[in-house]
Amino acid sequence: TQLLEQSPQFLSIQEGENLTVYCNSSSVFSSLQWYRQEPGEGPVLLVTVVTGGEVKKLKRLTFQFGDARKDSSLHITAAQPGDTGLYLCAGAGASGGSYIPTFGRGTSLIVHP
Amino acid sequence: DAGVTQSPTHLIKTRGQQVTLRCSPKSGHDTVSWYQQALGQGPQFIFQYYEEEERQRGNFPDRFSGHQFPNYSSELNVNALLLGDSALYLCASSLGRRGTDTQYFGPGTRLTVL
Repeated sequence: TQLLEQSPQFLSIQEGENLTVYCNSSSVFSSLQWYRQEPGEGPVLLVTVVTGGEVKKLKRLTFQFGDARKDSSLHITAAQPGDTGLYLCAGAGASGGSYIPTFGRGTSLIVHP
Repeated sequence: DAGVTQSPTHLIKTRGQQVTLRCSPKSGHDTVSWYQQALGQGPQFIFQYYEEEERQRGNFPDRFSGHQFPNYSSELNVNALLLGDSALYLCASSLGRRGTDTQYFGPGTRLTVL
C-alpha cells in the first residue's frame, strides 16, 4: 500500500502552460518535502513544508501543505522546458513515527518547447 | 565542496551474485541513508547509518546489509541477487540522526541483474 499517492502520474504540456501536481495521503505528516529528479541524477530537494496551510513560493513554483497536513500540491506557472523532470513528494513523521521520509511514486513532467 | 558521490555509476550482475556499492557523504555530514528506486517508482528506504551503526531499517530482507566507516563513508552489500533487485540505488547524506535534517542525494548506482 502506497502511503503517498501522487497525481497525475504523467504530464506532457507545452511551454507557457500552468500545471498542478497533487500528493495525497490518509496519514498526517510532521513535514512534507518536494523533490525534483532529472534522468541520471538523484532527487534534489525543492522545499520542505511543516505547518498546516503553509504556502511557499520558489520563483514560478508554489507549494501548499494542506490544513490537516495530509496532502500537498505543487503549482508551476508558465512552465519551461527546464522544469522537465520527475517530481517526488516525501512525507516524514507520519503519526509520530519515523522521520525517515516516505516517497510517493512521482509525477513525470515533460514540458515541450 | 564535493557533494555526495557514489560508485560505480553502473553495474551489471547475474542472479545469485553479490554486489557492493559505495557512497561518500557530503563534507561535514555524518549520517548516510540508502534507498532503492525501481523503474517508475519513488525511492524506498533501505537503512540508515549513524556513528557506524545501522540506526533504522526499512522493509528489506537480510540480503541487504551495510557498513559505515569512521570517515562516514558507507557501503551497501546485496547478496544472492534476484532479478527484482535491478534498480537505481541512491545514497543520501545528512547531518544528525533524526532524519529531519535536509538529505542530499548522490547520483545513484544503476544495478542491472540478468
